[in-house]
Amino acid sequence: AQSVTQPDIHITVSEGASLELRCNYSYGATPYLFWYVQSPGQGLQLLLKYFSGDTLVQGIKGFEAEFKRSQSSFNLRKPSVHWSDAAEYFCAVGDGSNQGGKLIFGQGTELSVKP
Amino acid sequence: DAGVTQSPTHLIKTRGQQVTLRCSPKSGHDTVSWYQQALGQGPQFIFQYYEEEERQRGNFPDRFSGHQFPNYSSELNVNALLLGDSALYLCASSLDLLSYNSPLHFGNGTRLTVT
Repeated sequence: AQSVTQPDIHITVSEGASLELRCNYSYGATPYLFWYVQSPGQGLQLLLKYFSGDTLVQGIKGFEAEFKRSQSSFNLRKPSVHWSDAAEYFCAVGDGSNQGGKLIFGQGTELSVKP
Repeated sequence: DAGVTQSPTHLIKTRGQQVTLRCSPKSGHDTVSWYQQALGQGPQFIFQYYEEEERQRGNFPDRFSGHQFPNYSSELNVNALLLGDSALYLCASSLDLLSYNSPLHFGNGTRLTVT
């Protein structure tokens, strides 16, 4: 069965520093991979997605992620973090049922930003 | 263009009671999915509705049921509430049942507390 692991429950970075959030997935074929962000009291917003092709994908708000099949990873990066990036970040994988809408989410990584 | 709207925003119920949560999808979307997000966890897929039928279901008991109306809005019903049902319930809509190409748009959720 598909699964997603986000090893870091909480990360703190200084404003202006670079960021990398880790995500490892378990899936037999080429996965559909997503990163979502959730601000307090809000729903989830899609940052970026990977289906196939170029393994480095660009998203909104200056985020990017790199798909590495050999490491079963899809880590999220941002070169310079802003205070407004403080939120919960979720990695997710499509469950492979050939029907959209059903995603398997990781536990999430809470990002705090120090001034 | 209204996004996904959910009501109510907060709800407090007693064990054994029944609850109904409501969702209006983003304009133009015809597929609705429901997720449960327990505190400190990632969202878990409950079920998905398309053309007024349940199309996929996650690992949730029959106490969880739903409905989709001709205008694509949806309801989530939970019977015989347990303390463990306390969570944020997220509704997500999309345009394409059979593809992940149409990204999920999430509402801000309904916070259910069972006492």
